[in-house]
Amino acid sequence: DQQVKQNSPSLSVQEGRISILNCDYTNSMFDYFLWYKKYPAEGPTFLISISSIKDKNEDGRFTVFLNKSAKHLSLHIVPSQPGDSAVYFCAANKGGGADGLTFGKGTHLIIQP
Amino acid sequence: GAVVSQHPSWVICKSGTSVKIECRSLDFQATTMFWYRQFPKQSLMLMATSNEGSKATYEQGVEKDKFLINHASLTLSTLTVTSAHPEDSSFYICSARDPGGWDTEAFFGQGTRLTVV
Repeated sequence: DQQVKQNSPSLSVQEGRISILNCDYTNSMFDYFLWYKKYPAEGPTFLISISSIKDKNEDGRFTVFLNKSAKHLSLHIVPSQPGDSAVYFCAANKGGGADGLTFGKGTHLIIQP
Repeated sequence: GAVVSQHPSWVICKSGTSVKIECRSLDFQATTMFWYRQFPKQSLMLMATSNEGSKATYEQGVEKDKFLINHASLTLSTLTVTSAHPEDSSFYICSARDPGGWDTEAFFGQGTRLTVV
């Protein structure tokens, strides 16, 4: 049972526009959410996170929104740049981080020139 | 940010042999490290939690006698794939939490591509 879902396997966005990546989760015990960026044959690189006590966190071009009632979060990248092309994983955790992360299947973001 | 180093980055081995993968936290001490596996076009799946000085905790469906984990020090965890078979071919990634960092941010190694022939 997939507890973290990324329903879009891929997303194509024009350079300079906004990229919106979506993530849904089913486990209400999750209280911390993270986004990772990954290139082929490399480990994930941490991008941004959000605690369940917040509904928004912003870091430069990256903003994560959390809607707890809908069990939905999204990552906004604006403006999108060619270097943003990668696979983005949504991950969730519970209980203060003693457990490992539960990942979605990832969304391949392609930034078109 | 914190750095986690994983070695080797790729390995090819014969079926039936064992392979050891190392995961090191370079600038912090990690009492807990995690091992993940990723099959092509799939998500990263948590295999086990490696605890310094104690036994690892394995996720359901992961054979502990096949995937031996040793967390001998606060900066090193090793994963040994014993009697490897072609179906064990995958991308193995470790991660570690910086206890001095905020909340549950985890840093990942570069990953190890294992191919069993």
